Amino acid sequence: DTGVSQDPRHKITKRGQNVTFRCDPISEHNRLYWYRQTLGQGPEFLTYFQNEAQLEKSRLLSDRFSAERPKGSFSTLEIQRTEQGDSAMYLCASSGDVYSNQPQHFGDGTRLSIL
Amino acid sequence: DAKTTQPTSMDCAEGRAANLPCNHSTISGNEYVYWYRQIHSQGPQYIIHGLKNNETNEMASLIITEDRKSSTLILPHATLRDTAVYYCIVRPYNFGNEKLTFGTGTRLTIIP
Repeated sequence: DTGVSQDPRHKITKRGQNVTFRCDPISEHNRLYWYRQTLGQGPEFLTYFQNEAQLEKSRLLSDRFSAERPKGSFSTLEIQRTEQGDSAMYLCASSGDVYSNQPQHFGDGTRLSIL
Repeated sequence: DAKTTQPTSMDCAEGRAANLPCNHSTISGNEYVYWYRQIHSQGPQYIIHGLKNNETNEMASLIITEDRKSSTLILPHATLRDTAVYYCIVRPYNFGNEKLTFGTGTRLTIIP
């Protein structure tokens, strides 16, 4: 399977704990995106990377959230001191060069549940 | 980003063509129309995109009106596996405007 891979698929944790998600993009894609989706809503943009550089962050990405892509390959999204409102599906997508107008391809997400 | 308007839900009989409309009356000249769908518990799946010409691939056809203010996604022979939420998105074709802005989409139900 050469699609976008996310791990874990499900995470259940207690309020106040830290969690980290991983995304492995399609191998030749230099752009990587994170989105969040709550029940009944479409995905909302969080942040994106071109190679290892984080180029844009949404206002949704509070100080408790941090994303990295250290070698321009896989990415991690960490949430510190989780809150009830963080319960959502966290989606990762990747794409090639924007000038070739390649679409973003999504993984199947990590579903986070805060107890 | 330009906004899109889609019906909340639609039904279609299995084997018939499903036609999903989308209005994007404020679309700019450098904005493409993208269609994605999302099957329950999965990530969004890319279907097709276009600028002003009609497009067709193995999944669907995209018909864009001449004034570009609306479009229709056509699934030619709908199957039960096409039951999903379909999102119509417009996005500029330039560096720095790469995020996809999803609405709530159209929930398409294929009826046996």
